[in-house]
Amino acid sequence: QTVVTQEPSFSVSPGGTVTLTCGLNSGSVSTTYYPSWYQQTPGQAPRTLIYSTNTRSSGVPDRFSGSILGNKAALTITGAQADDESDYYCVLYMGSGLWVFGGGTKLTVL
Amino acid sequence: LQLQESGPGLVKPSETLSLTCTVSGDSISTNDYYWVWIRQPPGKGLELIGSIYYTGSTFYNPSLKSRVSISVDTSKNQFSLRLSSVTAADTAVYYCARGRRSRTYYFDYWGQGTLVTVSS
Repeated sequence: QTVVTQEPSFSVSPGGTVTLTCGLNSGSVSTTYYPSWYQQTPGQAPRTLIYSTNTRSSGVPDRFSGSILGNKAALTITGAQADDESDYYCVLYMGSGLWVFGGGTKLTVL
Repeated sequence: LQLQESGPGLVKPSETLSLTCTVSGDSISTNDYYWVWIRQPPGKGLELIGSIYYTGSTFYNPSLKSRVSISVDTSKNQFSLRLSSVTAADTAVYYCARGRRSRTYYFDYWGQGTLVTVSS
């Protein structure tokens, strides 16, 4: 069974930098999984932040960036703001119309 | 583009959950997209249920495959979800979304979600 792993929670100070990661139980995450990242605040639908590893979706501030770090996909927030406090989900494409979600990271800005 | 989920908000245990997603602003009959159902139990993470291509080809999460059916009605620009033999564990917010399938693979548009509660 494919499991996508994320840190359950993370904390960052306002103005600070944080990197959230996305791993795969069966091996390394590469660009061929087309990693994407979504931000979700309570009661709202997810918002697309990053796709194809490092492409920002329309309207997403450039303080959000995506990359591959080692064997994981990564989402870095530079200059964190209070309204970045959200849940962040990584998604990997497995082929044949199927994606797998990570368990999500709850980011606290304090 | 807008996606809107509709259907009963309350379903009894052992019955079948049925939801429809109406797509507006673009045709569902395009080569570049899958049409996707995703759910989120209260306080938990997101889970892909499955996807459909406009031709009717379907792709299901293996953990739900035995209970799921997704269909498409191109004349109405809608796609639908049926989940059979529901239990309380199927209580969730159900989202429909559009999944890109050309040169990249991600969800670019989401519906607002609809809460379905399984309870007698």
